[in-house]
Amino acid sequence: GAGVSQSPSNKVTEKGKDVELRCDPISGHTALYWYRQSLGQGLEFLIYFQGNSAPDKSGLPSDRFSAERTGGSVSTLTIQRTQQEDSAVYLCASSRGLAGTYEQYFGPGTRLTVT
Amino acid sequence: QKEVEQNSGPLSVPEGAIASLNCTYSDRVSQSFFWYRQYSGKSPELIMSIYSNGDKEDGRFTAQLNKASQYVSLLIRDSQPSDSATYLCAVPPPHSGGSNYKLTFGKGTLLTVNP
Repeated sequence: GAGVSQSPSNKVTEKGKDVELRCDPISGHTALYWYRQSLGQGLEFLIYFQGNSAPDKSGLPSDRFSAERTGGSVSTLTIQRTQQEDSAVYLCASSRGLAGTYEQYFGPGTRLTVT
Repeated sequence: QKEVEQNSGPLSVPEGAIASLNCTYSDRVSQSFFWYRQYSGKSPELIMSIYSNGDKEDGRFTAQLNKASQYVSLLIRDSQPSDSATYLCAVPPPHSGGSNYKLTFGKGTLLTVNP
């Protein structure tokens, strides 16, 4: 089936504006993850969903970041009052979420630029 | 000790040679390990997963796991220029008790295969 999709692919916003990033996981995948990758840096975990619940929000860098997932499918990552340091590629991944199957598959990412 | 360590490279090999990429991890109870390939400007792509000690082969790729020494490696036989990418090692974070809903990624090794 189709892979993980993300939108928009690119987003340029002015400092202080809010942005919403969307992720549509692989059909049937119950687990969904958000990561961030800054230029030349490694992948940074942000938040994880199992179904609609987020048991681990430990990677969210500040209270300006929030995420939700509805219907056990689409997830939205919202960044309020964006700052220049928020500029990065935001990656979403999904996995089947079943015991013994933990492979995560990534979407193409959203490149966020805060000017 | 960092959770996941990789030599950042760059690792340069001639076409047709064997490329060897290494990764060490800190959590002794980690149960599963993953190798991702990331082309420049693209998102990570899962290429290998390994759960048991020993070797796992898939085409030109072989993953090797040694839990006692806490390292996992990826061998690429008959390297091709199209293999030129950054290779990321991913393991569950320390003290996760082996549950691996969240992956910690190494910073990756940049591989260049020269024609």
